[in-house]
This record gives sequence, C-alpha cells and structure tokens, in this order.
Amino acid sequence: AQKVTQAQTEISVVEKEDVTLDCVYETRDTTYYLFWYKQPPSGELVFLIRRNSFDEQNEISGRYSWNFQKSTSSFNFTITASQVVDSAVYFCALSETMDTGRRALTFGSGTRLQVQP
Amino acid sequence: GAVVSQHPSRVICKSGTSVKIECRSLDFQATTMFWYRQFPKQSLMLMATSNEGSKATYEQGVEKDKFLINHASLTLSTLTVTSAHPEDSSFYICSARFPSGGTDTQYFGPGTRLTVL
Repeated sequence: AQKVTQAQTEISVVEKEDVTLDCVYETRDTTYYLFWYKQPPSGELVFLIRRNSFDEQNEISGRYSWNFQKSTSSFNFTITASQVVDSAVYFCALSETMDTGRRALTFGSGTRLQVQP
Repeated sequence: GAVVSQHPSRVICKSGTSVKIECRSLDFQATTMFWYRQFPKQSLMLMATSNEGSKATYEQGVEKDKFLINHASLTLSTLTVTSAHPEDSSFYICSARFPSGGTDTQYFGPGTRLTVL
C-alpha cells in the first residue's frame, strides 16, 4: 500500500528563519517519483520539484532545498530565510504503480506553513 | 511550467441540479488527466483518472454515475456532478500529466469550488 506521511500539521516561523518540512513515504515499487507542491490561499497547486527514486542527489533552487534519503524513505524540504510569501500549505506526493496497474499520485496530508513578519 | 485551466472557478447551485466542470491543458496534449477532491483543510483525494478516448478509471468509493467524466480530446476533460447534494460541496481540482519521458509530473488547474445549497 502506498502512503505519504507529513507529520507536521502546522508550522509557524518568523520571517528569515529557516524551516524544514518533513515527508516520509512507503511504497512497494522500486521505481517511483516524489514531488512537492505548494498550495497558497488561492487554492492552485504549484509544482515545486520532482525526484525519481534512483537519484538521491540533494537539490537546491534558490531558497529551496530538498534532501532525499532513500535509506529512511524521507524527502524533506527546507526553506532558507523564509518570507511571508512562503505562507501556504505544502504537500508531498508519491507517484507509483497502483493496484490497477496504472500510475497515480498519493498526497500527504499537507503542512500548513505560516511565516510571520 | 505547463498551464492547466479549469472552468468555472466557483459555482453555487441548488440541490438536485447537475454541474459540469471543464479542465483544459493549454499548451500541451494530455492523454491522461486526473480529478481530485479536497475538503477544507484536508489533502487531495484522487477521484478518477481520465483517459482520452476511453472510459475513466474511478477510485474505490467514487460513484461512476454520480461523477461523470468525459475526456473528449487531448486537451479537454470534463467532470459532471449529477444531481448534486450539499455533501458534494467541495473543492474539485484537475490535473494533466505532462507527456514527456514518463516522469509522472502532473500540472494542476486552479480548482473549482462547488457549493450546493
């Protein structure tokens, strides 16, 4: 069974602080993809990153960085020097083969990040 | 990134009426689109996978006759909520799978907020 766990329901930080959002997953597939999406108050999901299961290199994009650890089945997301505009709900998602043989996304429950000025 | 549109963005209807929501991929062709449902402060739950030219695949617990899906072209999928009731009130989000390289990346529409009175 597929499962994505985001244990942090809500995080509140002050602007310029660094913050890490945790994501732990379970899958039977050997080939899978992991994603992070941002959902601001407007509701639209914004694609942030995709990582395939064979690529464990960490990635940095501006203030964003991602740490993929296959040994612990984790794909954590760090925002450096957070800003008020980072306030949103962040979803971690796993793409893998479902029981029906098709591939689909399973989302975590999301982490609501509030960045206070 | 790729653009997916949804129409309408918001709809209020009376109980018993049917509502059609359109999902379009604007700058790429999508053989596969997905429909999700999101209740307030909850995660996205996959309702069905829409395949161009064939029947949709519904997730367990989703009524096929209640949520009619049509994927008439490579850029358009529609979801019709038939005989809507207040419990169908939710945020409906579609996504389109980007067709390159089997990366499973989905781009999401802005969502449709349905309120059934």
